[in-house]
Amino acid sequence: DTGVSQDPRHKITKRGQNVTFRCDPISEHNRLYWYRQTLGQGPEFLTYFQNEAQLEKSRLLSDRFSAERPKGSFSTLEIQRTEQGDSAMYLCASSFLGYSGGEQFFGPGTRLTVL
Amino acid sequence: DQQVKQNSPSLSVQEGRISILNCDYTNSMFDYFLWYKKYPAEGPTFLISISSIKDKNEDGRFTVFLNKSAKHLSLHIVPSQPGDSAVYFCAASEEGGAQKLVFGQGTRLTINP
Repeated sequence: DTGVSQDPRHKITKRGQNVTFRCDPISEHNRLYWYRQTLGQGPEFLTYFQNEAQLEKSRLLSDRFSAERPKGSFSTLEIQRTEQGDSAMYLCASSFLGYSGGEQFFGPGTRLTVL
Repeated sequence: DQQVKQNSPSLSVQEGRISILNCDYTNSMFDYFLWYKKYPAEGPTFLISISSIKDKNEDGRFTVFLNKSAKHLSLHIVPSQPGDSAVYFCAASEEGGAQKLVFGQGTRLTINP
């Protein structure tokens, strides 16, 4: 399977703990995006990378959130000192800049529950 | 400020009939539009897209129509099948899709046998 993969699929943590999620994009894709989706809403943009450079961060991304893509391949999203409001589905997507279309391909998501 | 809106939270259609899902946007800089389908516990799956230089794009049973003057797009599914039951998201982007996607709230489509 050469789609976008995310790990873990589910994470339950206690308030105040740190969590880290991983995303492996489609191998030839140079852009990687993180989104967050809460119940009844569409995905909301958090941040994106082109290769290893983080090009944009949303205002939603507080200083407790940090994302990296160290070698331009996989990416990690870390949330420090989790709060109950961080409970959501975290989605990763990838695309290749240069295609005529701008389709982003999504992974299955990581569902975070903060108790 | 909700730049992309799907005003119908749900839609129920009989199998074999046409399903029409609607989407409105406010940002004039959007020039690329996409529809995604989402099943529970899965990530969104890309369905079809359209550039602002076109007013229609067709792929099998799926057709997307874009009305730039009204800032409105719609997705037509003909004929509707039970497997089409899912949540559908409209999304928009700037710079031909090179920028982040801005999503609507989604419409839950139910196809009844």
